[in-house]
Amino acid sequence: QVQLVESGGGVVQPGRSLRLSCAASGFTFSSYTMHWVRQAPGKGLEWVAVISYDGSNKYYADSVKGRFTISRDNSKNTMYLQMNSLRAEDTAVYYCARGPPGGYEHWGQGTLVTVSS
Amino acid sequence: QAGLTQPPSVSKGLRQTATLTCTGNSNNVGNQGAAWLQQHQGHPPKLLFYRNNNRPSGISERFSASRSGNTASLTITGLQPEDEADYYCSTWDSSLSVGVFGGGTKLTVL
Repeated sequence: QVQLVESGGGVVQPGRSLRLSCAASGFTFSSYTMHWVRQAPGKGLEWVAVISYDGSNKYYADSVKGRFTISRDNSKNTMYLQMNSLRAEDTAVYYCARGPPGGYEHWGQGTLVTVSS
Repeated sequence: QAGLTQPPSVSKGLRQTATLTCTGNSNNVGNQGAAWLQQHQGHPPKLLFYRNNNRPSGISERFSASRSGNTASLTITGLQPEDEADYYCSTWDSSLSVGVFGGGTKLTVL
């Protein structure tokens, strides 16, 4: 069965960096578009970034553009989110999701990122 | 960035029918359709529909979805206590090349 497992979250000071990982199993990872979506405590869902099946196309939300970088290693069935210059407003549960743009078929359990001094 | 508009809350009685709406524009809902997700407190979202009315396997037939112009709708019939959750619509904005979500509707089953 499809499984997505996020890792790498934690507490980080403003201005610092963090890298999240999403390990995929149960499907042919290299055939699917993948997304990062986040949810601040008590708030709604916010799309963060998307990467095409082969990594050739990447798009970002304005709120993270220039600070976050999405990437993938199809040989390791893993997607990443490099987050730099973190701000308090980046505090959220970060989910990886599989699916076409706008239609997220499968989700991980999420990893919590807390940006605080 | 463009966002989708959903009513913050809807309350209906047990076994009644609830219809949730999601309004976008011609660059997102109007030409890409919409997906619907259900999220229970403390859990990741779950896909109910994609591309307007395509239901993944395992989703109850009490759920149905449609679209008219720039507005998508999710209808839940025979409301049950387990339907109480947050519901989000989502799509892709082809003009901005970004994913977009609605703000979510909290459905309360009385």
